[in-house]
Amino acid sequence: QKEVEQDPGPLSVPEGAIVSLNCTYSNSAFQYFMWYRQYSRKGPELLMYTYSSGNKEDGRFTAQVDKSSKYISLFIRDSQPSDSATYLCAMTGGISSASKIIFGSGTRLSIRP
Amino acid sequence: EAQVTQNPRYLITVTGKKLTVTCSQNMNHEYMSWYRQDPGLGLRQIYYSMNVEVTDKGDVPEGYKVSRKEKRNFPLILESPSPNQTSLYFCASSSGRDTGELFFGEGSRLTVL
Repeated sequence: QKEVEQDPGPLSVPEGAIVSLNCTYSNSAFQYFMWYRQYSRKGPELLMYTYSSGNKEDGRFTAQVDKSSKYISLFIRDSQPSDSATYLCAMTGGISSASKIIFGSGTRLSIRP
Repeated sequence: EAQVTQNPRYLITVTGKKLTVTCSQNMNHEYMSWYRQDPGLGLRQIYYSMNVEVTDKGDVPEGYKVSRKEKRNFPLILESPSPNQTSLYFCASSSGRDTGELFFGEGSRLTVL
């Protein structure tokens, strides 16, 4: 079993829809949870960062962490064609360089105009 | 502009022909790492470096070598490439502080025939 599981998609939704992307994990030591966005032919870039449980909002994006269920989510409101990308969840037990970051395999998202 | 630069971006080579993928960052980051990205497997860490002259194996180090002689550079060496090393490679760097955000290069797509 992988430490981090993520549905690969692809997920296709119409413009303006609310998108929900999810990951589950098995390691209870994870404390820091991230979402990276990767456009085609580009490297991943950090989109959202959350420590421990709870919600974090940044514009149209909301990251949610439920440590009791070992489940994290990324919600995108009013989705735009420019949101079309692969979204990778990532998590780690600490933020120092010595702490290993584990990535999900990524969900490919397409927003239809 | 803060960036991680990889070269070459695309390379087709043959089995056994030694090659080097260069990586350079201009952010004075201590931590650097190499990942390979394969469909369904996500990002897997090959090697990482905590600082100059300090390197360590990641999850999939077989068939690869690295060196860190200068803080800004972290080349990936394939001494005798094989077809199973056909992949998309990413170099990343981090300050190891704050959010521990990884900054990725744009990727190097390698095909070994």
